[in-house]
Amino acid sequence: DTGVSQDPRHKITKRGQNVTFRCDPISEHNRLYWYRQTLGQGPEFLTYFQNEAQLEKSRLLSDRFSAERPKGSFSTLEIQRTEQGDSAMYLCASSRFMGGQPWNTEAFFGQGTRLTVV
Amino acid sequence: DQQVKQNSPSLSVQEGRISILNCDYTNSMFDYFLWYKKYPAEGPTFLISISSIKDKNEDGRFTVFLNKSAKHLSLHIVPSQPGDSAVYFCAASEGGSEKLVFGKGTKLTVNP
Repeated sequence: DTGVSQDPRHKITKRGQNVTFRCDPISEHNRLYWYRQTLGQGPEFLTYFQNEAQLEKSRLLSDRFSAERPKGSFSTLEIQRTEQGDSAMYLCASSRFMGGQPWNTEAFFGQGTRLTVV
Repeated sequence: DQQVKQNSPSLSVQEGRISILNCDYTNSMFDYFLWYKKYPAEGPTFLISISSIKDKNEDGRFTVFLNKSAKHLSLHIVPSQPGDSAVYFCAASEGGSEKLVFGKGTKLTVNP
């Protein structure tokens, strides 16, 4: 297993187009997270899944954004009607939650998908 | 409203010396803290973490100190190596939430 994989690595799209990103987590990890990072900022939480259930969503995730993890394995993040403000690095991370843990386990990040909206 | 603040955008140290990276937080509900390291064109890599019931955690050359009363944590790297040159992010979470809140990062440069 080579870690968290994201595809594509780079995406340039015209304003108003829809884009979809894919994330393949580490195989035994049951939790999957999406973050967004803009220039000069730290990553900002968007949403996370435990298996196929989407358990938490940020207010940053407007109705143009949708994330799925249909079989509890890979995940997709779709942005509809892209805007220039959506230009950012979209990071996926995964972790293994074994229950009974009092605190979060560390998440392992992929290399990200850099989106440029022109 | 930045809940996790890294007030130094950059830090430069000599190889072999100590690097100290600082982080302040405002949310008293945070109970778990992590440091991530990020190289250019790569995703963040987990480095070390600490829970609020401890005040120190050590892993090899890396030590994290937590001062809950001051809402402050720091990462010490001793001795610093050129390969440590990267952007370091401090992150925090509240109990029961999987959401990590990150600071803006500090770019560390270790000079040979």
